[in-house]
Amino acid sequence: AQSVTQPDIHITVSEGASLELRCNYSYGATPYLFWYVQSPGQGLQLLLKYFSGDTLVQGIKGFEAEFKRSQSSFNLRKPSVHWSDAAEYFCAALSGNTPLVFGKGTRLSVIA
Amino acid sequence: GAGVSQSPRYKVAKRGQDVALRCDPISGHVSLFWYQQALGQGPEFLTYFQNEAQLDKSGLPSDRFFAERPEGSVSTLKIQRTQQEDSAVYLCASSLVGGPTEAFFGQGTRLTVV
Repeated sequence: AQSVTQPDIHITVSEGASLELRCNYSYGATPYLFWYVQSPGQGLQLLLKYFSGDTLVQGIKGFEAEFKRSQSSFNLRKPSVHWSDAAEYFCAALSGNTPLVFGKGTRLSVIA
Repeated sequence: GAGVSQSPRYKVAKRGQDVALRCDPISGHVSLFWYQQALGQGPEFLTYFQNEAQLDKSGLPSDRFFAERPEGSVSTLKIQRTQQEDSAVYLCASSLVGGPTEAFFGQGTRLTVV
């Protein structure tokens, strides 16, 4: 079955430190891939997406993600985390006529 | 409007009560999706419309759940005889066309069944 896995339920990083959130997918063919962020009480905001081409994609708020076909991964990165980045992050995938499938999310906490 | 609008933002229902959740998609968006997000979980797909046609309802958890989009714009998700396990945030999203385009999400309706 098609699935998206985010292995880390909760990550804590210090402000200014780098960040990497992991995402793995299980699909027959390479899906379209997305990262969304959700702040408390808010809807989902798209950070970035990968459809094809350059495997390193840039998004909003200084985030980037790298698609690695060999590892079936699409990890999200940020060089320097700000306190306002504390939120829930969801990786999602879309293939063919199937709906967008989300991972269970990774909660990011930022400490001073 | 500027974004996807959902109402009400919060709903408390007594067990057994029927509820109706409304979604106003972005004007001109063809596709509309409903997701259910339980506490601490990722969104789970419920159903999908393209214009007024409901193309996929495979995610609806039971026949107590019903969705419609009669004029291809506003959509309503109805839950009959609510149960405690229905407590969740219900998210609506719309996109310009089907396929791999960006889906814009509303802020959701938080349903609490007591």
